[in-house]
Amino acid sequence: QKEVEQDPGPLSVPEGAIVSLNCTYSNSAFQYFMWYRQYSRKGPELLMYTYSSGNKEDGRFTAQVDKSSKYISLFIRDSQPSDSATYLCAMSGGGKSTFGDGTTLTVKP
Amino acid sequence: DTEVTQTPKHLVMGMTNKKSLKCEQHMGHRAMYWYKQKAKKPPELMFVYSYEKLSINESVPSRFSPECPNSSLLNLHLHALQPEDSALYLCASSQTGVSYNEQFFGPGTRLTVL
Repeated sequence: QKEVEQDPGPLSVPEGAIVSLNCTYSNSAFQYFMWYRQYSRKGPELLMYTYSSGNKEDGRFTAQVDKSSKYISLFIRDSQPSDSATYLCAMSGGGKSTFGDGTTLTVKP
Repeated sequence: DTEVTQTPKHLVMGMTNKKSLKCEQHMGHRAMYWYKQKAKKPPELMFVYSYEKLSINESVPSRFSPECPNSSLLNLHLHALQPEDSALYLCASSQTGVSYNEQFFGPGTRLTVL
């Protein structure tokens, strides 16, 4: 069983929709929870990270962490075609880090 | 300067060639990382340098040899690679030692081994 599970999609939504991306994990040592955006043929770009449980908002993006359920989410409000990319969750703690497999998102005009 | 640069962008090499990938950052970051990413898969950690010393080697085959000449530069020397080594090689850096929560990634070198 993988330490981090992420639905690979693909996920297709109309422009303006609210997008919800999720990951589950099994390692209780994870303390930092990151979301990366990766455009095709580019390196990952850190969108935001959260320490421990709670919410964090940055513009149209909101990250949520529920450590009791070992579940993290990224919400994108008012999605735009430029948000079309692969979104990777990542987690670290206990001296290690693991990425999810990524969810491919397409936002259609 | 707030970016990680990687050269070359693309590299095609034969199995008997020797080549090197280069990564540079001028953000004063003290940890640098090499990752390998296959298509539609997440990045896999290969090596970590912290304060110019090799900190983590994830059991990578010896045909990959990292080098950190100074705090701004990271190289990956390649020799006798296999076709299955074809992938996107990503460099990343973080500010104060090994820290996975605030890594800055470069655009990657797309490597094809014939």
